[in-house]
Amino acid sequence: KNEVEQSPQNLTAQEGEFITINCSYSVGISALHWLQQHPGGGIVSLFMLSSGKKKHGRLIATINIQEKHSSLHITASHPRDSAVYICAVDPARQLTFGSGTQLTVLP
Amino acid sequence: KAGVTQTPRYLIKTRGQQVTLSCSPISGHRSVSWYQQTPGQGLQFLFEYFSETQRNKGNFPGRFSGRQFSNSRSEMNVSTLELGDSALYLCASSSHNEQFFGPGTRLTVL
Repeated sequence: KNEVEQSPQNLTAQEGEFITINCSYSVGISALHWLQQHPGGGIVSLFMLSSGKKKHGRLIATINIQEKHSSLHITASHPRDSAVYICAVDPARQLTFGSGTQLTVLP
Repeated sequence: KAGVTQTPRYLIKTRGQQVTLSCSPISGHRSVSWYQQTPGQGLQFLFEYFSETQRNKGNFPGRFSGRQFSNSRSEMNVSTLELGDSALYLCASSSHNEQFFGPGTRLTVL
């Protein structure tokens, strides 16, 4: 069993839809990261969470430490949100990554 | 501040050769981590350096090595290249555990 499980693996949405990507992990962690990767490979860090909830523009990330679960929400999705979203956990300065969620937002 | 830079961006090597990749972190960042990304295995942690010392190492063979210089720039070396080493190699510098990724070096081993 992978230490980090993401769902769904693929997600297609219409512009304007509310999107949720889930991440479950099995190890104790000091932080959880949500990353965005566009075609071509560049990775951008969206959030780093150790508890609660963070919001940045149309993106919201939550984490439940007791349940070992995190969600990334995108409100009012837009085609430019199309990318791979990756959850990564940090047990001890050694990131372990989920397999990623390929999001496609259609106009 | 300038972002994380990696050189070269693309590299083609043949089996058995060795390769050295370079990463320059954001100014003031003392931690540099390296990652390998392949279609089959996804993103995997290679190693992390802090103030010229390797603090953590992932589950990779000894052919993969790295070092960090006093200016925090880091290099990773892969010796005796295998076809399976073809990948995108990413480095990230961090401050207070937040990771800032470079654009990556795409290595192709023929």
